[in-house]
Amino acid sequence: GENVEQHPSTLSVQEGDSAVIKCTYSDSASNYFPWYKQELGKRPQLIIDIRSNVGEKKDQRIAVTLNKTAKHFSLHITETQPEDSAVYFCAASEASGGSYIPTFGRGTSLIVHP
Amino acid sequence: GAVVSQHPSWVICKSGTSVKIECRSLDFQATTMFWYRQFPKQSLMLMATSNEGSKATYEQGVEKDKFLINHASLTLSTLTVTSAHPEDSSFYICSAPGPNTGELFFGEGSRLTVL
Repeated sequence: GENVEQHPSTLSVQEGDSAVIKCTYSDSASNYFPWYKQELGKRPQLIIDIRSNVGEKKDQRIAVTLNKTAKHFSLHITETQPEDSAVYFCAASEASGGSYIPTFGRGTSLIVHP
Repeated sequence: GAVVSQHPSWVICKSGTSVKIECRSLDFQATTMFWYRQFPKQSLMLMATSNEGSKATYEQGVEKDKFLINHASLTLSTLTVTSAHPEDSSFYICSAPGPNTGELFFGEGSRLTVL
């Protein structure tokens, strides 16, 4: 089955700095890579996703890159703000027939210091 | 967007009793729902996949007789922790794939404490 590794487990940055979280996956059949943000005491929510037919996707201060050959994808947050502090999870799955079961990374606790 | 509601948000029970947690898709139909267990500062551990009208698919190491899952309708899945023990204390969270994309919509989660 799929195995997703996520690094680092904890990331501490100063407000305004950039933050990068990296994930690797093992199953070359995986073609959908979402990122979820879970604030303390709240449910995870999708912040950005990328499919295997593109190499990069950007949404304001958040971007995700995908290297299919190397089987790794990364989340980039620029101009970090205190409200970006949360746990971020990457996931990988093979989307087929409209259904899929994502495998999650272990999560990265991002702390943005004012 | 799609909404998934989970109830109760927290529950305290005595050892040996059973606890039922409900997961509802409020504005869409979910033929599949996922149940996770999350320990503090750890990832989402998939326990089982709930399938409407059929038996749930359990992940390796998860006792199906301990964690009973029922998906009787297109909008409701339930997880029953039977004969709960203190080691079952955890945060349980459900999710369902949205109607049009691969996005997962999560419930609020249920914090179970077994005394």
